[in-house]
Amino acid sequence: GENVEQHPSTLSVQEGDSAVIKCTYSDSASNYFPWYKQELGKRPQLIIDIRSNVGEKKDQRIAVTLNKTAKHFSLHITETQPEDSAVYFCVAGGYQKVTFGTGTKLQVIP
Amino acid sequence: DGGITQSPKYLFRKEGQNVTLSCEQNLNHDAMYWYRQDPGQGLRLIYYSQIVNDFQKGDIAEGYSVSREKKESFPLTVTSAQKNPTAFYLCASSIGDRGGYEQYFGPGTRLTVT
Repeated sequence: GENVEQHPSTLSVQEGDSAVIKCTYSDSASNYFPWYKQELGKRPQLIIDIRSNVGEKKDQRIAVTLNKTAKHFSLHITETQPEDSAVYFCVAGGYQKVTFGTGTKLQVIP
Repeated sequence: DGGITQSPKYLFRKEGQNVTLSCEQNLNHDAMYWYRQDPGQGLRLIYYSQIVNDFQKGDIAEGYSVSREKKESFPLTVTSAQKNPTAFYLCASSIGDRGGYEQYFGPGTRLTVT
Protein backbone atom coordinates (compact mmCIF):
# COMPACT_ATOMS: atom_id res chain seq x y z
CA GLY A 1 0.00 0.00 0.00
CA GLU A 2 0.86 3.68 -0.02
CA ASN A 3 3.36 5.01 2.51
CA VAL A 4 3.53 8.74 3.23
CA GLU A 5 6.39 10.18 5.27
CA GLN A 6 6.15 13.71 6.60
CA HIS A 7 8.92 15.90 8.05
CA PRO A 8 9.52 17.57 10.37
CA SER A 9 7.17 16.43 13.10
CA THR A 10 7.50 19.78 14.86
CA LEU A 11 8.54 23.16 13.53
CA SER A 12 8.99 26.47 15.33
CA VAL A 13 9.45 29.70 13.40
CA GLN A 14 9.48 33.36 14.23
CA GLU A 15 6.53 35.39 13.04
CA GLY A 16 7.22 36.65 9.54
CA ASP A 17 9.60 33.84 8.63
CA SER A 18 8.81 31.05 6.19
CA ALA A 19 7.90 27.47 7.03
CA VAL A 20 8.44 24.42 4.84
CA ILE A 21 6.97 20.96 5.38
CA LYS A 22 8.02 18.03 3.22
CA CYS A 23 6.35 14.76 2.34
CA THR A 24 7.33 11.73 0.32
CA TYR A 25 5.07 9.02 -1.03
CA SER A 26 5.68 5.57 -2.43
CA ASP A 27 2.86 4.76 -4.86
CA SER A 28 3.39 6.22 -8.33
CA ALA A 29 -0.36 5.86 -8.95
CA SER A 30 -1.14 8.61 -6.42
CA ASN A 31 -2.33 11.68 -8.28
CA TYR A 32 -4.00 14.00 -5.76
CA PHE A 33 -2.09 15.74 -2.98
CA PRO A 34 -4.11 17.86 -0.55
CA TRP A 35 -2.88 19.55 2.60
CA TYR A 36 -5.07 19.85 5.68
CA LYS A 37 -4.71 22.19 8.64
CA GLN A 38 -5.99 21.13 12.03
CA GLU A 39 -6.14 23.71 14.79
CA LEU A 40 -6.19 22.50 18.37
CA GLY A 41 -9.47 20.77 19.17
CA LYS A 42 -10.90 21.39 15.72
CA ARG A 43 -11.52 19.41 12.57
CA PRO A 44 -9.00 19.19 9.72
CA GLN A 45 -9.70 21.60 6.88
CA LEU A 46 -8.28 21.70 3.38
CA ILE A 47 -5.92 24.60 2.79
CA ILE A 48 -4.51 23.77 -0.63
CA ASP A 49 -4.29 20.84 -3.01
CA ILE A 50 -2.43 19.89 -6.16
CA ARG A 51 -2.94 17.28 -8.83
CA SER A 52 -0.24 15.30 -10.53
CA ASN A 53 -0.43 17.22 -13.79
CA VAL A 54 0.71 20.41 -12.04
CA GLY A 55 4.12 21.15 -10.55
CA GLU A 56 3.28 24.11 -8.36
CA LYS A 57 0.24 25.91 -7.00
CA LYS A 58 0.02 29.08 -4.96
CA ASP A 59 -2.73 30.69 -2.90
CA GLN A 60 -1.67 33.93 -1.24
CA ARG A 61 0.91 33.00 1.42
CA ILE A 62 0.62 29.27 0.84
CA ALA A 63 2.22 27.28 -1.97
CA VAL A 64 2.64 23.60 -2.74
CA THR A 65 5.21 22.02 -5.02
CA LEU A 66 5.15 18.51 -6.46
CA ASN A 67 7.98 16.46 -7.91
CA LYS A 68 6.41 13.34 -9.38
CA THR A 69 9.70 11.82 -10.45
CA ALA A 70 11.13 11.99 -6.95
CA LYS A 71 7.72 11.31 -5.36
CA HIS A 72 7.81 14.22 -3.00
CA PHE A 73 5.73 17.31 -2.39
CA SER A 74 6.11 20.27 -0.07
CA LEU A 75 4.05 22.96 1.62
CA HIS A 76 5.50 26.46 1.83
CA ILE A 77 4.04 29.14 4.10
CA THR A 78 5.52 32.60 3.77
CA GLU A 79 5.23 35.54 6.16
CA THR A 80 3.96 33.28 8.92
CA GLN A 81 1.47 34.62 11.44
CA PRO A 82 0.46 33.33 14.88
CA GLU A 83 -2.82 32.05 13.43
CA ASP A 84 -0.82 29.68 11.23
CA SER A 85 0.02 27.70 14.37
CA ALA A 86 -1.62 24.29 13.92
CA VAL A 87 -0.94 20.72 12.85
CA TYR A 88 -0.57 20.25 9.10
CA PHE A 89 -1.17 16.95 7.32
CA CYS A 90 -0.08 16.00 3.84
CA VAL A 91 -2.09 13.41 1.94
CA ALA A 92 -1.39 11.20 -1.06
CA GLY A 93 -4.53 10.12 -2.85
CA GLY A 94 -5.54 8.19 -5.91
CA TYR A 95 -8.34 6.00 -7.11
CA GLN A 96 -9.88 4.15 -4.18
CA LYS A 97 -7.23 5.18 -1.69
CA VAL A 98 -5.97 8.02 0.45
CA THR A 99 -3.11 8.05 2.95
CA PHE A 100 -2.34 10.76 5.51
CA GLY A 101 1.08 11.74 6.71
CA THR A 102 1.72 11.76 10.46
CA GLY A 103 1.45 15.54 10.76
CA THR A 104 3.67 18.54 11.48
CA LYS A 105 2.99 20.72 14.49
CA LEU A 106 3.84 24.27 13.46
CA GLN A 107 4.37 26.90 16.13
CA VAL A 108 4.70 30.52 15.07
CA ILE A 109 6.37 32.57 17.76
CA PRO A 110 5.20 36.21 17.95
CA ASP B 1 -20.02 23.83 9.92
CA GLY B 2 -23.46 22.28 9.69
CA GLY B 3 -22.51 20.23 6.63
CA ILE B 4 -21.30 17.19 8.52
CA THR B 5 -22.08 16.54 12.15
CA GLN B 6 -20.97 14.02 14.73
CA SER B 7 -22.46 13.24 18.07
CA PRO B 8 -21.74 13.17 20.86
CA LYS B 9 -18.63 15.32 21.25
CA TYR B 10 -17.45 13.32 24.25
CA LEU B 11 -18.32 9.72 25.04
CA PHE B 12 -17.39 7.60 28.03
CA ARG B 13 -17.86 3.84 28.19
CA LYS B 14 -16.85 0.93 30.33
CA GLU B 15 -14.60 -1.73 28.90
CA GLY B 16 -16.53 -4.56 27.28
CA GLN B 17 -19.39 -2.40 26.04
CA ASN B 18 -20.15 -1.68 22.41
CA VAL B 19 -20.66 1.96 21.52
CA THR B 20 -22.02 3.65 18.39
CA LEU B 21 -20.79 6.98 17.08
CA SER B 22 -23.10 9.03 14.90
CA CYS B 23 -22.17 10.79 11.65
CA GLU B 24 -24.63 12.72 9.50
CA GLN B 25 -24.06 14.89 6.41
CA ASN B 26 -26.36 17.14 4.40
CA LEU B 27 -23.87 17.84 1.60
CA ASN B 28 -25.35 15.20 -0.72
CA HIS B 29 -21.96 13.49 -0.82
CA ASP B 30 -21.76 9.92 -2.03
CA ALA B 31 -18.64 8.94 -0.09
CA MET B 32 -18.18 8.83 3.68
CA TYR B 33 -15.27 7.77 5.87
CA TRP B 34 -14.28 7.07 9.44
CA TYR B 35 -10.83 7.89 10.77
CA ARG B 36 -9.13 7.37 14.07
CA GLN B 37 -6.67 9.96 15.36
CA ASP B 38 -4.24 9.24 18.18
CA PRO B 39 -1.85 11.80 19.71
CA GLY B 40 1.16 12.44 17.51
CA GLN B 41 -0.22 10.33 14.69
CA GLY B 42 -1.95 11.04 11.47
CA LEU B 43 -5.43 9.97 10.55
CA ARG B 44 -5.86 6.26 10.04
CA LEU B 45 -8.75 5.01 7.93
CA ILE B 46 -11.15 2.61 9.64
CA TYR B 47 -13.93 2.16 7.06
CA TYR B 48 -15.22 3.95 4.01
CA SER B 49 -18.35 3.85 1.90
CA GLN B 50 -18.65 4.99 -1.68
CA ILE B 51 -22.37 4.37 -1.97
CA VAL B 52 -25.41 3.39 0.07
CA ASN B 53 -25.45 -0.25 1.24
CA ASP B 54 -21.80 -0.71 0.41
CA PHE B 55 -18.65 -0.17 2.47
CA GLN B 56 -15.04 -1.35 2.59
CA LYS B 57 -12.48 -1.89 5.30
CA GLY B 58 -9.72 0.62 5.71
CA ASP B 59 -6.33 0.08 7.27
CA ILE B 60 -7.49 -0.55 10.85
CA ALA B 61 -10.99 -2.07 10.62
CA GLU B 62 -10.55 -4.79 13.25
CA GLY B 63 -12.90 -4.27 16.19
CA TYR B 64 -15.12 -1.81 14.33
CA SER B 65 -18.29 -2.12 12.27
CA VAL B 66 -20.33 0.28 10.13
CA SER B 67 -23.56 0.51 8.19
CA ARG B 68 -24.70 2.74 5.33
CA GLU B 69 -28.45 2.44 5.05
CA LYS B 70 -28.97 6.08 4.08
CA LYS B 71 -26.84 8.42 2.02
CA GLU B 72 -26.79 10.95 4.84
CA SER B 73 -25.73 8.62 7.64
CA PHE B 74 -22.68 6.47 8.36
CA PRO B 75 -22.62 5.28 12.01
CA LEU B 76 -19.56 3.57 13.47
CA THR B 77 -19.78 0.92 16.18
CA VAL B 78 -16.74 0.36 18.35
CA THR B 79 -17.06 -3.19 19.60
CA SER B 80 -15.61 -4.83 22.67
CA ALA B 81 -13.16 -6.60 20.34
CA GLN B 82 -11.29 -3.33 19.73
CA LYS B 83 -8.30 -3.62 22.04
CA ASN B 84 -7.52 0.06 22.44
CA PRO B 85 -10.66 2.05 21.65
CA THR B 86 -9.82 5.28 23.47
CA ALA B 87 -9.16 7.83 20.70
CA PHE B 88 -10.50 10.78 18.75
CA TYR B 89 -12.78 9.67 15.92
CA LEU B 90 -13.36 11.76 12.83
CA CYS B 91 -16.00 11.26 10.20
CA ALA B 92 -15.63 12.76 6.73
CA SER B 93 -17.42 12.92 3.42
CA SER B 94 -16.49 13.73 -0.15
CA ILE B 95 -18.33 14.25 -3.37
CA GLY B 96 -16.79 11.23 -5.02
CA ASP B 97 -13.97 8.73 -5.00
CA ARG B 98 -12.05 9.11 -1.78
CA GLY B 99 -8.65 9.54 -3.28
CA GLY B 100 -9.28 12.40 -5.62
CA TYR B 101 -11.55 14.87 -3.85
CA GLU B 102 -11.52 17.17 -0.87
CA GLN B 103 -12.79 15.55 2.29
CA TYR B 104 -15.04 17.51 4.63
CA PHE B 105 -14.62 16.54 8.24
CA GLY B 106 -17.02 16.51 11.14
CA PRO B 107 -16.05 17.99 14.53
CA GLY B 108 -15.08 14.60 15.92
CA THR B 109 -16.03 12.42 18.88
CA ARG B 110 -13.58 11.81 21.70
CA LEU B 111 -14.17 8.33 23.07
CA THR B 112 -12.79 7.28 26.42
CA VAL B 113 -13.08 3.67 27.53
CA THR B 114 -12.15 2.74 31.08
